[in-house]
Amino acid sequence: EGQLVDSGGGLVQPGGSLRLSCAASGFTFRSYEMNWVRQAPGKGLEWVSYISSSGSTKNYADSVQGRFSISRDNAKNSLYLQMNSLRAEDTAVYYCARVNGYLDYWGQGSLVTVSS
Amino acid sequence: EVVTTQSPVTLSVSPGERATLSCRASQNVRTNLAWYQQKPGQAPRLLIHGASTRATGIPARFSGSGSGTEFTLTISSLQSEDIAVYYCQQYNNWPPWTFGQGTKVEIK
Repeated sequence: EGQLVDSGGGLVQPGGSLRLSCAASGFTFRSYEMNWVRQAPGKGLEWVSYISSSGSTKNYADSVQGRFSISRDNAKNSLYLQMNSLRAEDTAVYYCARVNGYLDYWGQGSLVTVSS
Repeated sequence: EVVTTQSPVTLSVSPGERATLSCRASQNVRTNLAWYQQKPGQAPRLLIHGASTRATGIPARFSGSGSGTEFTLTISSLQSEDIAVYYCQQYNNWPPWTFGQGTKVEIK
C-alpha cells in the first residue's frame, strides 16, 4: 500500500522561503501525477500545485503563481514544493497527494507558519 | 473554474440514524466526483470516487450517488467514529482541483 511522508515545515518570516518534501513508498512513484493541497487553520482544503509524472507539466493556483515551484525527483521517489516570498496567508498545513484523477493517497501534512 | 457547493454546513445526527450530505457542481462533471473524510488533526482520507465507488477499506455504510451537477453522500447508520468533516471534490475539469467548503457531521 502506498505511503506519503511530508516534511520540511516550520516557522518562517514574511518574505522568507521554505522547501517542503514528500517521500513516497509502496508504489511506482514515477508513474503517478502528484499534487500539493493546503489547509489554513480552521479552513477547508485548497489545491496548490500539480506536476505530471515526468515533471514536464506543472500547474499552480493563482494564489501562489510566481512564488511557489513544484518539482520531483523520480530516482529518489520524492516530491518538492519550493515556497518563496511567503506571506501570512500562506500559513497552513501542506499535504502532498497522489493523483488518480481523485486524490487517493495523502501525506500526513507539514505545518508552515509565516509570522514575524 | 468549477465551483462545488456543499450543504448543510453542519449536520447533527443521532447514532444509528442516516446522514445525507449534498454537493452541487456549477458545471457538469459527469461522475468525476470524490468524497473525503477528515477527522481532527488528521489528513483527509478518500471515501468515494467516481461518484459512487467506495475506496479500499471503506465500510459499506458509506455510499455515494449522483451525476452531472448533483451528488449525495449517505452514511446509512451513523457511528461515533464517523464524526468528521466531509469534503466533495470534482476532478472532471482541472486545474484547478476544486473542493467544497465541507460539511461537519456531529452527534446529536
